Amino acid sequence: DVKVTQSSRYLVKRTGEKVFLECVQDMDHENMFWYRQDPGLGLRLIYFSYDVKMKEKGDIPEGYSVSREKKERFSLILESASTNQTSMYLCASTTGTISRNTIYFGEGSWLTVV
Amino acid sequence: DQQVKQNSPSLSVQEGRISILNCDYTNSMFDYFLWYKKYPAEGPTFLISISSIKDKNEDGRFTVFLNKSAKHLSLHIVPSQPGDSAVYFCATVTGANNLFFGTGTRLTVIP
Repeated sequence: DVKVTQSSRYLVKRTGEKVFLECVQDMDHENMFWYRQDPGLGLRLIYFSYDVKMKEKGDIPEGYSVSREKKERFSLILESASTNQTSMYLCASTTGTISRNTIYFGEGSWLTVV
Repeated sequence: DQQVKQNSPSLSVQEGRISILNCDYTNSMFDYFLWYKKYPAEGPTFLISISSIKDKNEDGRFTVFLNKSAKHLSLHIVPSQPGDSAVYFCATVTGANNLFFGTGTRLTVIP
């Protein structure tokens, strides 16, 4: 079975802190994604990556950056956390094209910025 | 702009009855749609999909209908079970391999 693991399930950080959210997948998928889920807004794409060292902005990249140094790992970075980044963050991965392959999600990371 | 819209934030249905979740989209070029189910504190899981070359796809208790002229799709769950209580997201593939999600509908199946 495909496994997408988000190492931190629940975090509480202070405003201005640098935050790292880590995601690892074990199926050699080329594509990895970071979403955030907020009530009434659904899932919104922050960044995605097609390959190692490749990254593309999603719909809401402001305030975030990403790192893909290894194929299996995709990190989301909040350079200076703010309270409006309190949210549930979801990592996902897939191989090939989404229309032909299932996208798999991690269990989510709940981030609270105080 | 919301390219995929789920206008009902919540839906309550009696156990054993049919649940119908609706989704509208704005771009007639979208040609592949998916439904995801999400329990609290878990990631979304894939439920069922449909390509625009079809108007119906069925998998057990779950059926997705696509009305291209109306730019509307719906997910039917019959019979509904309490374990179906979750948030359901419709999604479409946009651009290069990017999933665009609707805002979700919270389904509650009442025993």
